[in-house]
Amino acid sequence: QQPVQSPQAVILREGEDAVINCSSSKALYSVHWYRQKHGEAPVFLMILLKGGEQKGHEKISASFNEKKQQSSLYLTASQLSYSGTYFCGTEEAQGGSEKLVFGKGTKLTVNP
Amino acid sequence: ETGVTQTPRHLVMGMTNKKSLKCEQHLGHNAMYWYKQSAKKPLELMFVYNFKEQTENNSVPSRFSPECPNSSHLFLHLHTLQPEDSALYLCASSQDGRGGVQATQYFGPGTRLLVL
Repeated sequence: QQPVQSPQAVILREGEDAVINCSSSKALYSVHWYRQKHGEAPVFLMILLKGGEQKGHEKISASFNEKKQQSSLYLTASQLSYSGTYFCGTEEAQGGSEKLVFGKGTKLTVNP
Repeated sequence: ETGVTQTPRHLVMGMTNKKSLKCEQHLGHNAMYWYKQSAKKPLELMFVYNFKEQTENNSVPSRFSPECPNSSHLFLHLHTLQPEDSALYLCASSQDGRGGVQATQYFGPGTRLLVL
């Protein structure tokens, strides 16, 4: 079942913060976050596996709620290089399928 | 070469042509994927191969024919395509199907396909 991402798009000025959400109606085994810059391949950012987990990557961090149905990606003090489309990919069960189900993406634009 | 490579990077073909897209992964992974990416459907899974066996065909038209001769190589054979098949075709690989970190996918740069 495809996860729901919100918002669909966000425009920031450099230095501002943003939050991108990824929600499922079912408890998830894992959530994977990717960023795709225009004209490039999606690049893996991080994976969350445990309920209540928080993880960071430079000024980009993410959380996974206790029920494991929602993950949020936090971008703080945004930089121009953060522009791109962010996708979450979810697994519903461990080993149930080797595929991830991706959300429709959130397009982030950071302006000077 | 490192990571996941794809050739060609750009392809223009007529509706009667036959062409093939190639993907190679240098990560020692056992699962490989084809995705179609267009403005309407950002990441549309087409096929999944795990240990060379096809485990997913996401209702893809028969004019797309995948081939996985070994865990490192994946092909997508194209014939009698339609203009609406124009898109970016992405290949990805992952460790295997055990889930979690093993399911993390690494993408190639894609082939930009234009069907005239």
